[in-house]
Amino acid sequence: EIVLTQSPATLSLSPGERATLSCRASQSVSRYLVWYQQKPGQAPRLLIYDTSNRATGIPARFSGSGSGTDFTLTISSLEPEDFAVYYCQHRSSWPLTFGGGTKVEIK
Amino acid sequence: EVQLLESGGGLVQPGGSLRLSCAASGFTFSSYAMSWVRQAPGKGLEWVSSIGDSGTSTYYADSVKGRFTISRDTFKNTLYLQMNSLRADDTALYYCAKVGRSYGDYFYFDCWGQGTPVTVSS
Repeated sequence: EIVLTQSPATLSLSPGERATLSCRASQSVSRYLVWYQQKPGQAPRLLIYDTSNRATGIPARFSGSGSGTDFTLTISSLEPEDFAVYYCQHRSSWPLTFGGGTKVEIK
Repeated sequence: EVQLLESGGGLVQPGGSLRLSCAASGFTFSSYAMSWVRQAPGKGLEWVSSIGDSGTSTYYADSVKGRFTISRDTFKNTLYLQMNSLRADDTALYYCAKVGRSYGDYFYFDCWGQGTPVTVSS
């Protein structure tokens, strides 16, 4: 099983700041790494698939990068609606696994 | 508009069974693999099970293998999860999720239902 470790667990930032979230895999997932956003009481929302492809309707301030075992989700300038929990997921092999999440909170 | 509507959750005693359903609309159901993902209260996301677009390929997390069965009914546009021998650690909100691309193993999830809660307790 591939373990995904997200860091930091919590990121305290102000609107307008840049957010950099990390996801590290216990073994290579090639570029099959996905990012979701989840707000309280809501289902997850797909942001980025296969490392760097933005899903339909996702603003350009969200970007993804990386390969192999190290991946990054960057939010270039935080908007008030971006404060949420972010999860990574791999689709490289079975079982699929998710990271533990990074909470982006208002500083 | 793509919609996924889960149902069938509830309170069940340890060792009991439940069948979850997910009614799909707004897309060609038979063309897409589907999955179940759960979230225990206050915790992160956990993949549970997936089924291919034709229904012939199924996949399970080790934590549910042998106890849960995923299936789909193309005529009813419905995804199912039969859950047997339920345990307290199966308590979670269960989401139905559609994969992002048709006819293949594109197991990232571009549409999620709102979830149906399952509580296993005596």
